[in-house]
This record gives sequence, C-alpha cells and structure tokens, in this order.
Amino acid sequence: DSGVTQTPKHLITATGQRVTLRCSPRSGDLSVYWYQQSLDQGLQFLIQYYNGEERAKGNILERFSAQQFPDLHSELNLSSLELGDSALYFCASSSSSGMGANEKLFFGSGTQLSVL
Amino acid sequence: DAKTTQPNSMESNEEEPVHLPCNHSTISGTDYIHWYRQLPSQGPEYVIHGLTSNVNNRMASLAIAEDRKSSTLILHRATLRDAAVYYCILRDLGNDMRFGAGTRLTVKP
Repeated sequence: DSGVTQTPKHLITATGQRVTLRCSPRSGDLSVYWYQQSLDQGLQFLIQYYNGEERAKGNILERFSAQQFPDLHSELNLSSLELGDSALYFCASSSSSGMGANEKLFFGSGTQLSVL
Repeated sequence: DAKTTQPNSMESNEEEPVHLPCNHSTISGTDYIHWYRQLPSQGPEYVIHGLTSNVNNRMASLAIAEDRKSSTLILHRATLRDAAVYYCILRDLGNDMRFGAGTRLTVKP
C-alpha cells in the first residue's frame, strides 16, 4: 500500500459528460501528480501541484483541469468526455516540491475511466 | 529531455538473476536515473535511483556505467511477483517525471 488513495476505482460514463477524480496524497506529502495511461499512449504526465499551486504541466487537454485543496487532496476534472478519454488515471504524491531530480513518487492504484 | 532506450520485453527464469538494460546516451551531468515498475493492474512503484555510483536497496541494484550513457537494473533472484513493466527514467532538476514504454519482464517458473 503506497498510502495514496484514489476514488472511485472505476467510473463508467457517457460521451459529453463531466467527471471528477479524487486523490488523497500520503500523509505529509505536498506534491500531487496526475498521469493518464491508455493502451496506445502509455503513461502520460498531465499536471503537478505543490502545496495548492500548479507547478508543472504536461500533455493535459483544455477540457481537463485539476486543483489541489488546502487539505492537500487533489481533484482532476474531465469534461466533454470523448471515447478516447477512456484510460487509467493515476495520482502520485511526493514529499518535495517536485523540482528535485532525486525525489521518489508514490502512486495510487488508479481510477479506470470508461467512456461509452 | 534526455531519452532512454529499453528493450520492449525480456524473459527470465524464476530464482535466476535478471539484468534489465537502459541506454541513455544523451544524459546530462545532472540527470538522475530512476527505475520504476508497474505490476499488472497496479500503479507504478519506485524501485531505485542513482546519479553516478552504483546503488543497492532491498529490491534491486542499479549499476551505472562509468560514462553514464547506460545503466542496468539488477534483480538478484527473480520471483513470479517481479513480472512487471520496468521503466527507466531520466530526471533533471526542475523537470517532471516522464515515463517511456518500458521493458515488459516475464518470469517463468
């Protein structure tokens, strides 16, 4: 158990809908990362937050947004969903600011999103 | 970003050592070499990381070439539970953690 909690584990929805994925980092970790894993794209970095502020952005679509709350949990919002958004979404946390080259990331078990 | 090259897949026998190679010929002097693995139906899991010297921990060893253009993750005695996709990642100060395709390790009983 990594200590990172993601809910829900599975989510089934329809095209055009909006969903929210939730992540609770390990106790004391200030950084939260979001990744998307699909069969054809592998693990893609989406976005990182550190102590409530956006720190780095990767291949995140404009239809997707995220935030980190004062209690350090994070939410990833996916809107106007398309079939191609079906994927596993992972959250990871770390204790550092995310700018250190030697930090370790701890991953949750993911949310499986199916868009029908 | 400096890139890594790994074989798509490897096979090993249970209880034998496994050497997983990674080439990173464009590595910079400040890139750390990280290894993560992803077991089936799970999120990635940290394995080991290093900068210049070889590193050992309870999971594995990391051997880094003298010129740092390649590295090898060593599992000393593979078990069935070690079957996973292994990712070799370079990370520099200020950069995020980006995963490649990795090596799918199959362990045969």
